[in-house]
Order: sequence, then structure tokens, then C-alpha cells
Amino acid sequence: NAGVTQTPKFRILKIGQSMTLQCTQDMNHNYMYWYRQDPGMGLKLIYYSVGAGITDKGEVPNGYNVSRSTTEDFPLRLELAAPSQTSVYFCASTLTSGDYNEQFFGPGTRLTVL
Amino acid sequence: GQQLNQSPQSMFIQEGEDVSMNCTSSSIFNTWLWYKQDPGEGPVLLIALYKAGELTSNGRLTAQFGITRKDSFLNISASIPSDVGIYFCAVRTGANNLFFGTGTRLTVIP
Repeated sequence: NAGVTQTPKFRILKIGQSMTLQCTQDMNHNYMYWYRQDPGMGLKLIYYSVGAGITDKGEVPNGYNVSRSTTEDFPLRLELAAPSQTSVYFCASTLTSGDYNEQFFGPGTRLTVL
Repeated sequence: GQQLNQSPQSMFIQEGEDVSMNCTSSSIFNTWLWYKQDPGEGPVLLIALYKAGELTSNGRLTAQFGITRKDSFLNISASIPSDVGIYFCAVRTGANNLFFGTGTRLTVIP
């Protein structure tokens, strides 16, 4: 199993450009998440999905969009990139089972908006 | 809004020393978690705590879920160089979401 994979690893965007961050998991997890981590800070939840076709906003959703057409994939879309979106983006997934809540994280995408 | 306050923000310790860090909240949470993030990687779960007062160990790591359900601490005994990284506490919120603290950055000096 590859676990959670993210592409690209690094990206530089100009202000106003758009891009899609890809996330795929091969663990058949139903829950998937997108977080951003600003320098020296913890992770903040952008969007999450409890299953294919279902998405919901997290703590910091403005400027982002998501879709979940399959169990495996959960892409994050930035439509009009802004410098405030410079961050490291992490995708995570979990298989909900009672109290156990380990979220497995991908390696991250480092995005710089200039 | 929600806040998880972690202290200390950073620590520099000698190899072999014990480490203690904690996490506090103004709100009650029923699940507390500790994650470690290595440089350039995503966080990895170390310990999960589900019951107030619970003390759980994982090798050299020991974590406790505070009796008030508003705090938790993590201890690392006999630190080694690979303990270097950022340690995050997190709490479980609705729909299995996690809310993370700001992290404690640990440096181990050989």
C-alpha cells in the first residue's frame, strides 16, 4: 500500500493563477481531509469528506474548492491564488471505527504564491 | 474560537534527558491525540487517549488525559536524536475532525 500520496511536492504560483492539488489514498478509507500548515503553526482544516459525493467546510475554507467523485481521490482546487495561500498542504484519510481516529497523512505539498 | 495551547513552544535538550510537554484547552474534549511531525513529512500518530485520567505508554512515550478533560501531557524518556521534530496535540471534534495545537519543536543535542 502506498498510503496517502500527494502531488505535486512543490509548486510556485503567480497571484491569480489556479491549480489543483491532488490527493489519493489506497486504503479504502471513507473519510478524507485537507489541512494547511503555515510556518510555525499547527494544521488547520480546510475541507473534509465523509464519503464519495459528500464534502463539507472546515475551519478555513475560503479560497478553496473540493470534490470527491471516488473513494480514493480528494482534489483541492485553488481558483485565484493569493499570497495568503502560501503554505504547506496536507491531505489525510481515516477509516472511522468507533473511537479509533488515526488520520494518516500524506507527505504534503509546499505551495508558494508570489 | 477554539484554541489548544501547547508549551513549551520549543525545547533544546541533551541526548538522554527526559522531556515533558503539555497541551491545554478552555473547552472539554473527549479524545486527545499526540502526533509527531518529522521535517518535511506529514504528522504521524503517537498516542490516542479516550478516557479522562487515562495514562498510556508507547515505548519511551507516556501521555496522560487530564481528569478535567481540558488538558494532556506527553513525556519522552531518555531522548535520542531521532526524537527531533514537532509534537502536536490534537482533539477530536465533530464528524471525526481533528483540531491541532500549535506544536512543540524539540531539538536533541547529541
